Amino acid sequence: DVKVTQSSRYLVKRTGEKVFLECVQDMDHENMFWYRQDPGLGLRLIYFSYDVKMKEKGDIPEGYSVSREKKERFSLILESASTNQTSMYLCASNPPPPGRNTIYFGEGSWLTVV
Amino acid sequence: QQPVQSPQAVILREGEDAVINCSSSKALYSVHWYRQKHGEAPVFLMILLKGGEQKGHEKISASFNEKKQQSSLYLTASQLSYSGTYFCGTEVGGSNYKLTFGKGTLLTVNP
Repeated sequence: DVKVTQSSRYLVKRTGEKVFLECVQDMDHENMFWYRQDPGLGLRLIYFSYDVKMKEKGDIPEGYSVSREKKERFSLILESASTNQTSMYLCASNPPPPGRNTIYFGEGSWLTVV
Repeated sequence: QQPVQSPQAVILREGEDAVINCSSSKALYSVHWYRQKHGEAPVFLMILLKGGEQKGHEKISASFNEKKQQSSLYLTASQLSYSGTYFCGTEVGGSNYKLTFGKGTLLTVNP
């Protein structure tokens, strides 16, 4: 069965802390995504990776960085967490073209920055 | 840029129909539709591809007007289980399959 696993479901961090959100997929997918979900704003793309060590900025990359050292793992990094980064973060993956396929989402990570 | 969804919210009685629209300012290669229940991850419903190919759910249909850069999701004879937030995700041509989602449409189906 398809699986995208986010290591932490609920985190509470202090302002200024460095935060790592980890995501692992077991489907050998090339593409991986990090989205942020806030009420009334929908899913906003933070970063996208289409191969190991390859990344592309999404719509809201400011304050975030990513790491993709292995195909199955895609990490989101908050270098210095701020309260406006309190949100729900969703990781996703899907296979690349040719042929469009569904995106598989993880369960989400709820981050609170105090 | 996020696609624009309308309406923002809709309330139905069981058995009624609904249409959710998604439009983009850019030429689209594909449109995806997802449903999310509260506290859960979004779940795939349908993909519509440029050129007319469609993959998806048996009881839910959708259209994709490439010229107008719009897609519509049709929910017929709604069931209580259809309640949730519906998101469209759009892929712009040449974007290496980067998918951008709209703000969502909250659908509530009442008995």
